[in-house]
Amino acid sequence: QVQLVQSGAEVKKPGASVKVSCKASGYTFTNYYIHWVRQAPGQGLEWMGRINPNRGDTIYAQKFQGRVTMTRDTSVSTAYLELRRLRSDDTAVYYCATEYYYDSRGYYFAAQGFFQHWGQGALVTVSS
Amino acid sequence: EIVLTQSPGTLSLSPGERTTLYCRASQSVSSNYLTWYQQKPGQAPRLLIYGASSRATGIPDRFSGSGSGTDFSLTISRLEPEDFAVYYCQQYGSSPLTFGGGTKVEIK
Repeated sequence: QVQLVQSGAEVKKPGASVKVSCKASGYTFTNYYIHWVRQAPGQGLEWMGRINPNRGDTIYAQKFQGRVTMTRDTSVSTAYLELRRLRSDDTAVYYCATEYYYDSRGYYFAAQGFFQHWGQGALVTVSS
Repeated sequence: EIVLTQSPGTLSLSPGERTTLYCRASQSVSSNYLTWYQQKPGQAPRLLIYGASSRATGIPDRFSGSGSGTDFSLTISRLEPEDFAVYYCQQYGSSPLTFGGGTKVEIK
């Protein structure tokens, strides 16, 4: 079955960088975009951007431009999110999600922007 | 950027009741590309509805979505104990993808 397994919780100081990983299994990693979404404590969901695992091209939300880099390693079916110059308001759970969608009739397709499969989340705490 | 406004913020209901949650977009959502998710504490969101009205795989038929353009809704026909959670709408018709602020459905 489809699984996205993320790296563990991190504690970082303001100004530092963090890199979160997301290992995919159960489907062809390179065929479906991976997106990153974060959620601050007690808050809603915020889209950060996406990566095409096949070609490596990315789209970032304007808010994160210049501070975020999304990469992938196809040899291990893993996507990465790096966020730099961390601030206290970057404290959040960071989720990866794939556009792979499996239909009950046995079909699968690229969801093009919505997510049936999510990672378990990685808590990043930024504190001095 | 499309801003999604969900209402109400909180619903206090009893099991067995019917309820409707609303999501209004600041501009028309292209092709009605709107989804609904359910999220419980400590868990990732769970996809319920995509394309405004298509039920996702494995989702019970007590969940239904409707709407078009700027106004969308999610109806739960009969609340089960496991339905008490936070619900988010999300549009994927244009970049950036955006989410609503959520509606909490709590036990009365």
